Amino acid sequence: QSALTQPASVSGSPGQSITISCTGTSSDIGHYNYVSWYQQHPGKAPKLIIYEVSNRPSGVSSRFSGFKSGHTASLTISGLQPEDEADYYCSSYTSSTTLAVLGGGTKLTVL
Amino acid sequence: QVQLQESGPGLVKPSDTLSLTCAVSGYSVNSRVWWGWIRQPPGKGLEWIGYLFYTGSFYYSPSLESRLTMSLDTAKNQISLKLRSVTAVDTAVYYCARIRVPEAAFDYWGPGMLVTVAS
Repeated sequence: QSALTQPASVSGSPGQSITISCTGTSSDIGHYNYVSWYQQHPGKAPKLIIYEVSNRPSGVSSRFSGFKSGHTASLTISGLQPEDEADYYCSSYTSSTTLAVLGGGTKLTVL
Repeated sequence: QVQLQESGPGLVKPSDTLSLTCAVSGYSVNSRVWWGWIRQPPGKGLEWIGYLFYTGSFYYSPSLESRLTMSLDTAKNQISLKLRSVTAVDTAVYYCARIRVPEAAFDYWGPGMLVTVAS
């Protein structure tokens, strides 16, 4: 069981927008603005696409955006493209008994 | 640029020790970041194994800590993982990653290495 809760799957059509949620606790998302998001294509390593809730690393498309409210963070992908089909994971710094906690992952299907 | 590369045996027998190294280039392992090992069983999500700070501080997953040792080798600029007494449930793709402070963002990952536990 993962420390952060994500929906197992989401789907959308090309050009649409989708949002993936990531729910934590007062020890992680609820207390720190240290939420990250990762994109993982099949057979590949995860890639950092959002850090510190809403910042994008250099080279990441502006179609990816992040937000946080309370204990829940969210990743929005606008203007869905076929290459966005992948698994998405969230993580957060935590003051609990480890450094960072991970979400269980969400499979995005572009219909 | 920063690059990480996992290496080690791809096949380990049950009850043996799984040993992996992560060679780091373009960045010193002795710099102020964390280094992590994360694994992914076939068809499943990411599972954290352990995190190691450049000072030697560490966090191990409670489910693995009795079998786990992680270390830094500053001379070779690499990190290592040893997981003892493995079983089939330890079969997974193993990743190493650099973790930035303070935000704990996993910003660089190795390509991953599939380790199969089988006789």
